[in-house]
Amino acid sequence: DTGVSQDPRHKITKRGQNVTFRCDPISEHNRLYWYRQTLGQGPEFLTYFQNEAQLEKSRLLSDRFSAERPKGSFSTLEIQRTEQGDSAMYLCASSRSGTVTEAFFGQGTRLTVV
Amino acid sequence: AQSVTQPDIHITVSEGASLELRCNYSYGATPYLFWYVQSPGQGLQLLLKYFSGDTLVQGIKGFEAEFKRSQSSFNLRKPSVHWSDAAEYFCAVGARSGGGADGLTFGKGTHLIIQP
Repeated sequence: DTGVSQDPRHKITKRGQNVTFRCDPISEHNRLYWYRQTLGQGPEFLTYFQNEAQLEKSRLLSDRFSAERPKGSFSTLEIQRTEQGDSAMYLCASSRSGTVTEAFFGQGTRLTVV
Repeated sequence: AQSVTQPDIHITVSEGASLELRCNYSYGATPYLFWYVQSPGQGLQLLLKYFSGDTLVQGIKGFEAEFKRSQSSFNLRKPSVHWSDAAEYFCAVGARSGGGADGLTFGKGTHLIIQP
């Protein structure tokens, strides 16, 4: 078990382009979360999945943001028509479900929109 | 809505000295509480967590934290810091209804600097 894996680690894109990030959770974890972290701030929750079901997506920042987890394993986060304000670190985390649980984070994907 | 306040943006401590990082939360009931550490270019690593029971919790790397309901606080402490403790520290709160990990709310973090 190598922990939560995110790809790519860094992405530079031009404003207006679409980007997609991938997250591979810890294998036995059925919950998967996406967060955004901007400079000088703590992570900000975006969305989460339990298996393939997206149980919370109201916190996605705009309709340009979408996430999928089609087979309940890896997940993708897509940002369409990127804007400079989308520049941030995008973190993925995973956890087991249960009464009490804790989330394990990946190293993140740093997005720079130029 | 839940919120977390970390009043100290930066803290400088001499190596070997004791450390206390402050965290105050706002939540309607007793939440789940976490401390994470983030080194440059790295993801977040869980230091410790409070779910219930003993209000003094022990974590990794010699850290501990005390939950004080009356003060809505969950301060992180270490009796003697090492240069390798220099990092960003985040306090987070999670709702009990979601098992503690549904959409954690994080503070803005405290940047810890260790002086030789």
